[in-house]
Formats: sequence, C-alpha cells, structure tokens
Amino acid sequence: SQQGEEDPQALSIQEGENATMNCSYKTSINNLQWYRQNSGRGLVHLILIRSNEREKHSGRLRVTLDTSKKSSSLLITASRAADTASYFCATDAGNNRKLIWGLGTSLAVNP
Amino acid sequence: NAGVTQTPKFRVLKTGQSMTLLCAQDMNHEYMYWYRQDPGMGLRLIHYSVGEGTTAKGEVPDGYNVSRLKKQNFLLGLESAAPSQTSVYFCASSYSGTGGTEAFFGQGTRLTVV
Repeated sequence: SQQGEEDPQALSIQEGENATMNCSYKTSINNLQWYRQNSGRGLVHLILIRSNEREKHSGRLRVTLDTSKKSSSLLITASRAADTASYFCATDAGNNRKLIWGLGTSLAVNP
Repeated sequence: NAGVTQTPKFRVLKTGQSMTLLCAQDMNHEYMYWYRQDPGMGLRLIHYSVGEGTTAKGEVPDGYNVSRLKKQNFLLGLESAAPSQTSVYFCASSYSGTGGTEAFFGQGTRLTVV
C-alpha cells in the first residue's frame, strides 16, 4: 500500500516561479526522500531528510519535514523548463531498507 | 561508473511466454529491488533482496520470481507472462549503511505482453 500521498497531483507554472509540492505519510519514519523522474527515465534521488531534521536545502531545493503532522514539502525556487518532471516522495519506516512511495506530482514548467 | 544497468530496455512478449530481466549494479550495494510502475499507481515493490543469496516478497510478487546469486546482479523472472504484467519495470539498489537509504535506479524496462 502507498504510504506517501503527494499534493497536488499535477502542477503547471511559468518559468521563474516557485513550485511547492507536499507529501503526507501515515506511520513514523526514519527519513523521507524526494526523487525526480523525467519522462521515460529512471528516478533520480534529490534529497533526504531525517526524522530529527526540520529543513534541508540543496541548491534551488528546499525540503521541510513536520513529523507531528506527518508531512513534508518540496520547494523548487526559480523554476526552469528543465525542472519539468514527476516528483515522488518516499519514506523509510523500518529496518529492512524498503522505501514506501507516493503516487507523485507531475510538474510542468512552461517557458 | 555505470551505476545500475537494466537489460533489456524494451521487450514485447506473447501471453504465456517467459523471460528474465537482468539488473546489474557496480556500487557494491547490499540491497536491491524490483519495482513496477503503472499509470496512476506509482511504484510498487515486487521483490527485494537484502544481500547475496537472499530474496523477499514485496507488495505485488505474484507471477514473478527473483534470484540474487551474485551480489551485483538481481534477476527478475516472469514464468508465464500475462497482459496484466504489461508495465515499466525498474531495478534499484541501495547501500546498507546507517547513513540512509538513498536508492539508485536503472533506466527501466518497458515490457508489453500481448
């Protein structure tokens, strides 16, 4: 069963705008990860945030984690057309290293 | 550094045929996974392995078998393909250390069963 639920399912913005995607999950976690998938390609890891962290940055990416609300958000600042992709959150909840995936947010950045 | 390599990239099978998908990683990762990705369903775990010689069932294991005879390889077999197995299959691997479970993915195998 899916643990993460991304919101919105689809997002369309103009180049230069910021894009925010949210992920909610159901159980306690060790960490939460965000991945990007370009059309027809494999997933690429973007950022990992541990359960004891509240915010993390990587370039134009900013991830927040609120364990009390069981939610995370991914912010992409100053978006580019190349950011067009699907974004997935995945949670690591146990000792067997299995990730539990959300259904993804499809982001379209229009030039 | 090739990372995770899947073969083949595309395949068309007739119902009832069998095939094996190969996943190879050169990062010395302990953990390997096979997922399928269908529209609107996200990634669903088929089988996974926590080390050479071990395998375990994921969410949707029926109709699939796996083997991990060598640490770097993880094979996914379809014994008797069905149209419901039409999907894109992804292999992934991850390090078993305590630093986290970042997964590295292959480019996918697009399988069509007719």
